[in-house]
Amino acid sequence: DQQVKQNSPSLSVQEGRISILNCDYTNSMFDYFLWYKKYPAEGPTFLISISSIKDKNEDGRFTVFLNKSAKHLSLHIVPSQPGDSAVYFCAADGTSGSRLTFGEGTQLTVNP
Amino acid sequence: ETGVTQTPRHLVMGMTNKKSLKCEQHLGHNAMYWYKQSAKKPLELMFVYNFKEQTENNSVPSRFSPECPNSSHLFLHLHTLQPEDSALYLCASSQDETGTGELFFGEGSRLTVL
Repeated sequence: DQQVKQNSPSLSVQEGRISILNCDYTNSMFDYFLWYKKYPAEGPTFLISISSIKDKNEDGRFTVFLNKSAKHLSLHIVPSQPGDSAVYFCAADGTSGSRLTFGEGTQLTVNP
Repeated sequence: ETGVTQTPRHLVMGMTNKKSLKCEQHLGHNAMYWYKQSAKKPLELMFVYNFKEQTENNSVPSRFSPECPNSSHLFLHLHTLQPEDSALYLCASSQDETGTGELFFGEGSRLTVL
């Protein structure tokens, strides 16, 4: 039973436009959510996170939105840049520990 | 060196070989992890070590054998693997197991089992 799902394996957007990456979860015990970014031949790197007590967290061009009632979160990248092309993983944490549950990832391609 | 480093970056082995993956973290963290990433699948947690003690084995087959001699080093010993074990193996660390969930990953070891 996959508790974190990213239903879009890929997304392609034009440079300067908004990228919206989506993630759904099923476990209502999850209370902390993270996005990781992964370039080819590199390990994932932390991008942005949000606690369940918030519904939005913004860091520069990146904003994560959390809808607890829908068990849905999304990552918005505005404006998108070609350097944002990478695989984006959504992850969730249900305890105070660090055993993250990851989604399958979404390959974002930003075209110049 | 900074961060989390993994060696080798690429490994090709036969099903009867014995090899090891190495991970070293220079962040002063106390928890270390092995993850497996297969194509189009979520990252799968394999093992967790906290202060050198194994705190989780996520039903990993015994052909994968972890070793954590100290908080900075983590090994994954491999023997009699199967072709379906071919994947990217990622090491990660965090301050400890009770942190806010942020993991710092190495670049991964790409394993191909022939």
